[in-house]
Amino acid sequence: DARVTQTPRHKVTEMGQEVTMRCQPILGHNTVFWYRQTMMQGLELLAYFRNRAPLDDSGMPKDRFSAEMPDATLATLKIQPSEPRDSAVYFCASGPGTGWTSGYNEQFFGPGTRLTVL
Amino acid sequence: TQLLEQSPQFLSIQEGENLTVYCNSSSVFSSLQWYRQEPGEGPVLLVTVVTGGEVKKLKRLTFQFGDARKDSSLHITAAQPGDTGLYLCAGAGGFNTDKLIFGTGTRLQVFP
Repeated sequence: DARVTQTPRHKVTEMGQEVTMRCQPILGHNTVFWYRQTMMQGLELLAYFRNRAPLDDSGMPKDRFSAEMPDATLATLKIQPSEPRDSAVYFCASGPGTGWTSGYNEQFFGPGTRLTVL
Repeated sequence: TQLLEQSPQFLSIQEGENLTVYCNSSSVFSSLQWYRQEPGEGPVLLVTVVTGGEVKKLKRLTFQFGDARKDSSLHITAAQPGDTGLYLCAGAGGFNTDKLIFGTGTRLQVFP
């Protein structure tokens, strides 16, 4: 049963601390997405990778957020320093990347990391 | 900027009732998907529609893609408490991108 996995599931930290969230995409998927979800803003795209290369990180606050894919099985999202306004649920999703040529996209989401910054 | 507006935003109904959720845009999408998200979980893909006018059925759920591929609807027949959740539509942003444009969401509560 192929699934996207995310760790940790919950994280409580204090303002100013570094937070690292990890994601293992579905094997064989070549696109990875990081989203943030809040009640007020809904689901926001933070970053998007294709074949491990960052294609779009325009939704991400560059001064404190960074996203990387060290290898095909791991994507990371870091916040340094964290602030209370970063409290949200962060989702990773992966997809087969068929949208590039067909316009037919599907994304499969992980269970999310619930981040609370005090 | 492509936007997807969903209506209604919130819906509370009794078990056995029927309901329809709408997803509207002024933009054309190459395909459109519906997701359901339960509390504490990530969105789960329900269906993808690709052709204008396409209708797909998933048990008691019926999905329709508008003829002009700008809008979609989700109809649930005889809703059950297990249908409770956040329903999200998402449009494919076109060719040469894998990004999806997510709708504003419809939060459905079905009471026994």
